[in-house]
Amino acid sequence: DGGITQSPKYLFRKEGQNVTLSCEQNLNHDAMYWYRQDPGQGLRLIYYSQIVNDFQKGDIAEGYSVSREKKESFPLTVTSAQKNPTAFYLCVSSWTGGFGAFFGQGTRLTVV
Amino acid sequence: AQSVTQLDSQVPVFEEAPVELRCNYSSSVSVYLFWYVQYPNQGLQLLLKYLSGSTLVESINGFEAEFNKSQTSFHLRKPSVHISDTAEYFCAVSASKKAAGNKLTFGGGTRVLVKP
Repeated sequence: DGGITQSPKYLFRKEGQNVTLSCEQNLNHDAMYWYRQDPGQGLRLIYYSQIVNDFQKGDIAEGYSVSREKKESFPLTVTSAQKNPTAFYLCVSSWTGGFGAFFGQGTRLTVV
Repeated sequence: AQSVTQLDSQVPVFEEAPVELRCNYSSSVSVYLFWYVQYPNQGLQLLLKYLSGSTLVESINGFEAEFNKSQTSFHLRKPSVHISDTAEYFCAVSASKKAAGNKLTFGGGTRVLVKP
């Protein structure tokens, strides 16, 4: 079955460590996105990619990095430069134009 | 650049009463519009979308939204809500042309709490 898979579901990180969140889709979608969801703040865009080997910063890219070496994969690295990384992270893929979006189940990252 | 504003962060409503969730957007190009719903402890799922054609779109569970280009709005309505409609609702927009950049932008969300 086609879908989008995020892993892990829960992740704990020590302060000062980098951590990478995985996002894989087998829907042949061109576009992939990373959002961060905080209580009372909705979804904020971190990075997005429309084609392989290309990506753009979203509204809150500082402290994050991404790569798009394959169409199916769009991993997100939360670096030690991110001051408040504890949040729920959501990966989304879609057709060109943003429609037909599929959502991952999310990764809840907690800094301990 | 594009943005989405959901004017109400929380909407309490009694069961069987009507509800309207307001969504306004800004964009320099033509857009596709979406409403997504997130039930408690679940992921987001598509509720309905406007791509082209009729400006009134409906979902299978009784919600409807109307695209108003002149007012740049895409308000969501339901004439009679159920307890099971308690959820957070997100309005989203993307450019309809690839060349314009197809960033999917979400509003801040509206939390609907249906009371018995």
